[in-house]
Amino acid sequence: DTGVSQDPRHKITKRGQNVTFRCDPISEHNRLYWYRQTLGQGPEFLTYFQNEAQLEKSRLLSDRFSAERPKGSFSTLEIQRTEQGDSAMYLCASSGTPGGNTIYFGEGSWLTVV
Amino acid sequence: RKEVEQDPGPFNVPEGATVAFNCTYSNSASQSFFWYRQDCRKEPKLLMSVYSSGNEDGRFTAQLNRASQYISLLIRDSKLSDSATYLCVGNSGYALNFGKGTSLLVTP
Repeated sequence: DTGVSQDPRHKITKRGQNVTFRCDPISEHNRLYWYRQTLGQGPEFLTYFQNEAQLEKSRLLSDRFSAERPKGSFSTLEIQRTEQGDSAMYLCASSGTPGGNTIYFGEGSWLTVV
Repeated sequence: RKEVEQDPGPFNVPEGATVAFNCTYSNSASQSFFWYRQDCRKEPKLLMSVYSSGNEDGRFTAQLNRASQYISLLIRDSKLSDSATYLCVGNSGYALNFGKGTSLLVTP
């Protein structure tokens, strides 16, 4: 499968614990995005990388959230001291050549904070 | 106020019907617009891009009106498989801004 891959697909964690999600974009895509989606809402932009540079961050990305893309390939999104309000689907997406500006999403990582 | 607003529906239509979705955007600097489709508990998938000149892909027609900051999607001859949530999307800088989505249910 050459699509965007996310891991884990599902995570249940206790409030206060840290969680990390990994995203492997489509090969050769230099642009990578993280979004969050809650029930009944559209995806909300969190952050954007072009290669290894984090070029844009949303106000939604509080200081408990950090994202990295150290070698310009895979990316990680870490949430520290999770809260129940962090429960959501975290979507990774990538774009770039080939495919132009079309953004392709991974299947998402579902987080439940109990 | 969200940058992209759309009627959440749901729209319940019989098979074969024509249905139209509308959305408005507030960021006049937005350059690129799209419709994405999302099935329940799945990731969004690109349905089509939206151009001022209008574009058609089979039973689907999308239109952009920059003056009114308005985007539309028309689905003709609805199929049961068209049942999904349709997300209106506009760019803002590097990010894509999504509306909340419009839910469509096509019934036999």
